[in-house]
Amino acid sequence: ETGVTQTPRHLVMGMTNKKSLKCEQHLGHNAMYWYKQSAKKPLELMFVYNFKEQTENNSVPSRFSPECPNSSHLFLHLHTLQPEDSALYLCASSPGLAGYNEQFFGPGTRLTVL
Amino acid sequence: GQNIDQPTEMTATEGAIVQINCTYQTSGFNGLFWYQQHAGEAPTFLSYNVLDGLEEKGRFSSFLSRSKGYSYLLLKELQMKDSASYLCAVMDSNYQLIWGAGTKLIIKP
Repeated sequence: ETGVTQTPRHLVMGMTNKKSLKCEQHLGHNAMYWYKQSAKKPLELMFVYNFKEQTENNSVPSRFSPECPNSSHLFLHLHTLQPEDSALYLCASSPGLAGYNEQFFGPGTRLTVL
Repeated sequence: GQNIDQPTEMTATEGAIVQINCTYQTSGFNGLFWYQQHAGEAPTFLSYNVLDGLEEKGRFSSFLSRSKGYSYLLLKELQMKDSASYLCAVMDSNYQLIWGAGTKLIIKP
């Protein structure tokens, strides 16, 4: 496989469940990102990792917990979510952080919280 | 605060030209990106501007004026497959991308 892959593509969970989203990039990039995309709203940056180290946490609630075991893999662990957390969760990667660093996006996980 | 403004929706005719505007107010500027996102798919990169002027890439061109905090994406010879959302994003002084809400472009035959 090439590019950025995400699993699962769709996820329905109850508010008391615990689940994880997985992202894998095959591009040799050093930076990885989690974004939340809600209808008719701008992409919201959630977390940034550079060389496996978290560099940004944009005031994301603790019910979202990221993990980056290596530069190719990124996880988003979910627990006790709220219905307003229903959205498309996009993973992206880029060669680095600064300047002209095009971000490559995965297809996203469509999350529904009941 | 940081803000990116672009029209919510635009309609154009197949074969025509359309210009999608983006204005921004950010803390610092390290480049402006345009992405295309088809419904249900991931955003894909279209263009990057860091200096004033026009960047042309096939049917798509992107313009930047840093003094005016303004950019536009110009799409020529529109095709039905160009129906998508177009996202404007600015990299701020912390090298974070600040995103607009996107412009949904509808192409009619």
